[in-house]
Amino acid sequence: DIQMTQSPSSLSASVGDRVTITCRASQGIRNDLGWYQQKPGKAPKRLIYAASNLQSGVPSRFSGSASGTEFTLTISSLQPEDFATYYCLQHSSYPWTFGQGTKVEIK
Amino acid sequence: EVQLVESGGGLIQPGGSLRLSCAASGFTLSSYWMHWVRQDPGKGLVWVSRIDTDETSTNYADSVKGRFTISRDNAKNTLYLQMNSLRAEDTAVYYCVRGYYGLDVWGQGTTVTVSS
Repeated sequence: DIQMTQSPSSLSASVGDRVTITCRASQGIRNDLGWYQQKPGKAPKRLIYAASNLQSGVPSRFSGSASGTEFTLTISSLQPEDFATYYCLQHSSYPWTFGQGTKVEIK
Repeated sequence: EVQLVESGGGLIQPGGSLRLSCAASGFTLSSYWMHWVRQDPGKGLVWVSRIDTDETSTNYADSVKGRFTISRDNAKNTLYLQMNSLRAEDTAVYYCVRGYYGLDVWGQGTTVTVSS
């Protein structure tokens, strides 16, 4: 199985901060990676697909990038509605696997 | 509006069976692979199963293989998950998810609690 190591597991940040979350795959997954945001009691919502493509309707402050087996989600200027938990997902091979999640909290 | 609505969750004793349903609307179910994903209380997301458009191919997580069966009825725009021999560790919120470049549209989830 492909392991997705996501870091950090949590972070505290202020409104307006630039935030970076990383997922590292245990083997090559091409660009078969998505990023998801989940708020308490709600279903996850996709932000990024194919590593760097912005999902329709998602604010442009969210971006994704890839370098080999390392994938990054960046929030350029954190907004109050962005406080949530973020997950990466590899869909290169079964079983598909998620990162452990990053909880973004208010500093 | 594209929508997925799960149902069928509830409280079930260990060893019991439950069938989850997922009603799709706003898109043609038969055109998409579909998935189930679960989330243990307070924990992360776990992919459970996937089915292709015409039920010729399925995949399962090792933790549910041989106990869970994914199926679909494209005429009824409905996805199913038959869960047998349920265990306490199957307790989770189960999400029905459309497959498109990974997982794109999610249902709101249905809660399954396995407890005596």
